[in-house]
Amino acid sequence: DAGVIQSPRHEVTEMGQEVTLRCKPISGHNSLFWYRQTMMRGLELLIYFNNNVPIDDSGMPEDRFSAKMPNASFSTLKIQPSEPRDSAVYFCASGSGRAGADTQYFGPGTRLTVL
Amino acid sequence: KQEVTQIPAALSVPEGENLVLNCSFTDSAIYNLQWFRQDPGKGLTSLLLIQSSQREQTSGRLNASLDKSSGRSTLYIAASQPGDSATYLCAVGSGNKLVFGAGTILRVKS
Repeated sequence: DAGVIQSPRHEVTEMGQEVTLRCKPISGHNSLFWYRQTMMRGLELLIYFNNNVPIDDSGMPEDRFSAKMPNASFSTLKIQPSEPRDSAVYFCASGSGRAGADTQYFGPGTRLTVL
Repeated sequence: KQEVTQIPAALSVPEGENLVLNCSFTDSAIYNLQWFRQDPGKGLTSLLLIQSSQREQTSGRLNASLDKSSGRSTLYIAASQPGDSATYLCAVGSGNKLVFGAGTILRVKS
């Protein structure tokens, strides 16, 4: 398996633009997680899907952020409009069990810079 | 609210030294504790997972212990090598999520 695939790997955009990050989880995994990593706040869980259904989105910072999982092999995280404080590395991870109960496999991340 | 703390924040050791990284958590109601490694510009790689009913796990030169009652875990690295240089993150499975510590940046000097 190729592991968790994320695209793009790097994104530079201007404030106010829409940003869409994409993730393909490992085949057969039924849980998908979006994280954000910054120097100030470390690694934070944004949202967790189980069987394509959002279970916990309490980490989504505000309404500018939205996530979807239309099927078991694809998820998106959208920021609209983007702001400089959204600059971070965004990771997608997938797993085969209950959130927090089993190993999660991380993608390489998308480094987002909002100017 | 679960909080995870890692000490030290950074560590620099000469090659060959044995070392210990520490992790503490505030709520003992956990499913498991996991140690991850993160290389610069890369994602996280799972190293060891200890279930809440277990006391320790070993993989090669790595040994992780868990004392749930005291809210502590240690990651022991034997005979450290320059290739071990990375950030090591501790995470506890708690509630519906993994809660991560801030990490320990390890540098092993050759």
